[in-house]
Amino acid sequence: GAGVSQSPSNKVTEKGKDVELRCDPISGHTALYWYRQSLGQGLEFLIYFQGNSAPDKSGLPSDRFSAERTGGSVSTLTIQRTQQEDSAVYLCASKRGVGDTQYFGPGTRLTVL
Amino acid sequence: AQSVSQHNHHVILSEAASLELGCNYSYGGTVNLFWYVQYPGQHLQLLLKYFSGDPLVKGIKGFEAEFIKSKFSFNLRKPSVQWSDTAEYFCAVRANNAGNMLTFGGGTRLMVKP
Repeated sequence: GAGVSQSPSNKVTEKGKDVELRCDPISGHTALYWYRQSLGQGLEFLIYFQGNSAPDKSGLPSDRFSAERTGGSVSTLTIQRTQQEDSAVYLCASKRGVGDTQYFGPGTRLTVL
Repeated sequence: AQSVSQHNHHVILSEAASLELGCNYSYGGTVNLFWYVQYPGQHLQLLLKYFSGDPLVKGIKGFEAEFIKSKFSFNLRKPSVQWSDTAEYFCAVRANNAGNMLTFGGGTRLMVKP
């Protein structure tokens, strides 16, 4: 079946602009995660949604970052007033339930000029 | 908070050589352990995982990993690498009290020379 999809695949923006990144999880997966992978760095957890529970936002690096998940499915990660250090690949992952494996999307490569 | 260390950042091997990539984590409780692979231009894929039971885990493409609890390690191995194994490999840990998030190591970039 279809995997996790993300859009856009690439986004170039100017410093100070807002961006929205979209994630479509696998149908039926209740958990959704956002990570980012900066150049030369490992993966960094950003935020986690599980069903209708309040999201775990403990990984968001600043209040410029926010995410929502509408209807328990699609998620949007918003970065306001982008900075050059926000340049990274933003990865979304979903899983069916507790103990299951996370499946990753292809990522969105964000470049802030 | 838990952390994951991958000590080899870059590894270069010739085809048919044996591979072992180190992964150590810091967390004293129950963990789930994973190895992911990212081939050039592709997204992350799961290679193998350990939840419980036999500490020697077999994965896809001939990879295996051994969980050694006393050493807090989950090293990835392959007896004979191929050029197509050139990729970046990430070790990840999920601690049972960590809100179900994965903590990743910094990755090991493997280059296999034909």
